Amino acid sequence: DVKVTQSSRYLVKRTGEKVFLECVQDMDHENMFWYRQDPGLGLRLIYFSYDVKMKEKGDIPEGYSVSREKKERFSLILESASTNQTSMYLCASRLGTGIPGELFFGEGSRLTVL
Amino acid sequence: AQSVTQLGSHVSVSEGALVLLRCNYSSSVPPYLFWYVQYPNQGLQLLLKYTTGATLVKGINGFEAEFKKSETSFHLTKPSAHMSDAAEYFCAVSDRVNTGFQKLVFGTGTRLLVSP
Repeated sequence: DVKVTQSSRYLVKRTGEKVFLECVQDMDHENMFWYRQDPGLGLRLIYFSYDVKMKEKGDIPEGYSVSREKKERFSLILESASTNQTSMYLCASRLGTGIPGELFFGEGSRLTVL
Repeated sequence: AQSVTQLGSHVSVSEGALVLLRCNYSSSVPPYLFWYVQYPNQGLQLLLKYTTGATLVKGINGFEAEFKKSETSFHLTKPSAHMSDAAEYFCAVSDRVNTGFQKLVFGTGTRLLVSP
């Protein structure tokens, strides 16, 4: 089975702290994604990556950056956390070519910024 | 840009009743269409998808969805709800393009509540 693992299920940080959210997938997928999920807003795409060292902005990239140094790992970075970044963060991966394939999701990281 | 609308943020049914979750998309060209489910404290998992061919698509756990081009709809149904179906359901759409990256756009979700 494909597994997408997010390093932290729950985090509490203070305003201004730097936050790292880690995601690892074990199926050699080219594409990886970071979404944030908020009630009433669904899933919104923050950043995605075609392949190693490739990254593209999604719909709401402000206040975030990403890193993909290895194919299996995609990190989301909040340089200076703010209270409006309190949210559920979901990582996903999929194969990169052809008809859009299934997105495989991690269990999510719930971040609270105080 | 592609968009998808899910009517009703919450839907309540009794166990054994028909489940109907609505999804409409905005596109002049039929896109690829998906339904995902999120159980409490879990990530999303694929229920079913429509890419081409038969317009009635069957998925896991007894769910199915029908692509209706004339109505730009892709509603999700299940004949008989089970308590374990209580979850949040997301409709998603992706452009039908042959090259380049295909981004998935999600609806706002519908929470299904099942009462005994």
